[in-house]
Amino acid sequence: DVKVTQSSRYLVKRTGEKVFLECVQDMDHENMFWYRQDPGLGLRLIYFSYDVKMKEKGDIPEGYSVSREKKERFSLILESASTNQTSMYLCASSLTATNEKLLFGSGTQLSVL
Amino acid sequence: TQLLEQSPQFLSIQEGENLTVYCNSSSVFSSLQWYRQEPGEGPVLLVTVVTGGEVKKLKRLTFQFGDARKDSSLHITAAQPGDTGLYLCAGEFKGGGADGLTFGKGTHLIIQP
Repeated sequence: DVKVTQSSRYLVKRTGEKVFLECVQDMDHENMFWYRQDPGLGLRLIYFSYDVKMKEKGDIPEGYSVSREKKERFSLILESASTNQTSMYLCASSLTATNEKLLFGSGTQLSVL
Repeated sequence: TQLLEQSPQFLSIQEGENLTVYCNSSSVFSSLQWYRQEPGEGPVLLVTVVTGGEVKKLKRLTFQFGDARKDSSLHITAAQPGDTGLYLCAGEFKGGGADGLTFGKGTHLIIQP
C-alpha cells in the first residue's frame, strides 16, 4: 500500500526550539512538498523539491528550511520555532514534474507554546 | 500568486439533498483537481480534469470543468453523512512546473443524518 508517512501526528514545542518534521514516501516519487494548513487560509506551500539535494521556495518559506538528502525523505526544519508557526503541516509527493496528483501524508499538528 | 475562490465556504444540509460547490479563478487552468479531506487526515485526490467542458462522475459525485478552464463545480446527488468533509480544489496554471498546486480555501460540508 503506497503512502506518505509523517513521523508525528502531534507535536508540542516551546518558542525558540529547533523543530524537525520528517516525511517519507515509498513510491519513488520525484517531487515532494511541504504545506501548512490554517483555518481561513487554506493550504499554503512552504517549500518543494524536485530532486535529491534540490529545493525551491514556495509561497511562505520564511522561518523554515528543508533537507532532501535521499529521494524518499523530505524534512522540514523550523530553526527557531515561534507561536505563529502553530499549524497543521502536510507533506505530499507526486510522481512527475507536472503535479498530476499529490499524495498527502496524514499531517502533523504542531503547537508552539 | 494565482487565486482560487471556492464557494460556499460552509454548507450544512440534510441527508438525501443535492448540493453544488464551486471553484473559480480569473486565470486559465492547465488542469484542476478536487480533493476531500477528513478531520485529522491529509487531503485525498478525488478527480483531475484537464479538458474544457469535461465532465467526470465518481458514483454520486459529478465534476465539471468550465469550457474556458477557469472554473469548476462539484455536484453531489443524494448526499450522505459519509460525504462530510472539507472539499478542496487545486489548480495547475499554464506555465506552472514542479512548483506545487494552488489550493482554494475549501468548502466545509456537513451532511446531517
